[in-house]
Amino acid sequence: EDQVTQSPEALRLQEGESSSLNCSYTVSGLRGLFWYRQDPGKGPEFLFTLYSAGEEKEKERLKATLTKKESFLHITAPKPEDSATYLCAVPGAAGNKLTFGGGTRVLVKP
Amino acid sequence: DTAVSQTPKYLVTQMGNDKSIKCEQNLGHDTMYWYKQDSKKFLKIMFSYNNKELIINETVPNRFSPKSPDKAHLNLHINSLELGDSAVYFCASSRIRDSGANVLTFGAGSRLTVL
Repeated sequence: EDQVTQSPEALRLQEGESSSLNCSYTVSGLRGLFWYRQDPGKGPEFLFTLYSAGEEKEKERLKATLTKKESFLHITAPKPEDSATYLCAVPGAAGNKLTFGGGTRVLVKP
Repeated sequence: DTAVSQTPKYLVTQMGNDKSIKCEQNLGHDTMYWYKQDSKKFLKIMFSYNNKELIINETVPNRFSPKSPDKAHLNLHINSLELGDSAVYFCASSRIRDSGANVLTFGAGSRLTVL
């Protein structure tokens, strides 16, 4: 069974203080790894898909990287609007069932 | 022009009651899902329909019954509600792709509280 573990559970940052979130996974065969952002009271919003080790994707202050066992979401010089819960997920064999990690709740203080 | 819309957003009810949550998507996707997010924020899939056909049915009590009248709608009916059913229920949709994984678009969630 696919497993996804995220750490830390919560992260408090000062504005401008860069940091990284970890997502480690155990799957029978990697068919991609997703990162989503979830704001309070809202549904998860898609950020990135990574498919192979060594792949990187960037969006504004966020950069996602992938190795064979884990993915990192780097937040560079975060702003208060980056405060959210960040979720990673892996798809099942048919590609249409996502197994999510527990998320990392990020709070960026001004 | 919300892409995936769920109603109601909040639902407070007594144990033993029956309730429904409705979901509609206007993205032209062919697959829809129900996910449950518990108090610890874990998101777990419950059901998935592709073109009105049930394709994923996780270990969910049979008090939960999804219904898809067409590929743009997926409703969730819950019978004999229990305290443990309290959670946020998310509807999502995607388009099945020939290669690569499917990107899911989520609704805003329906918070169910059972008293």
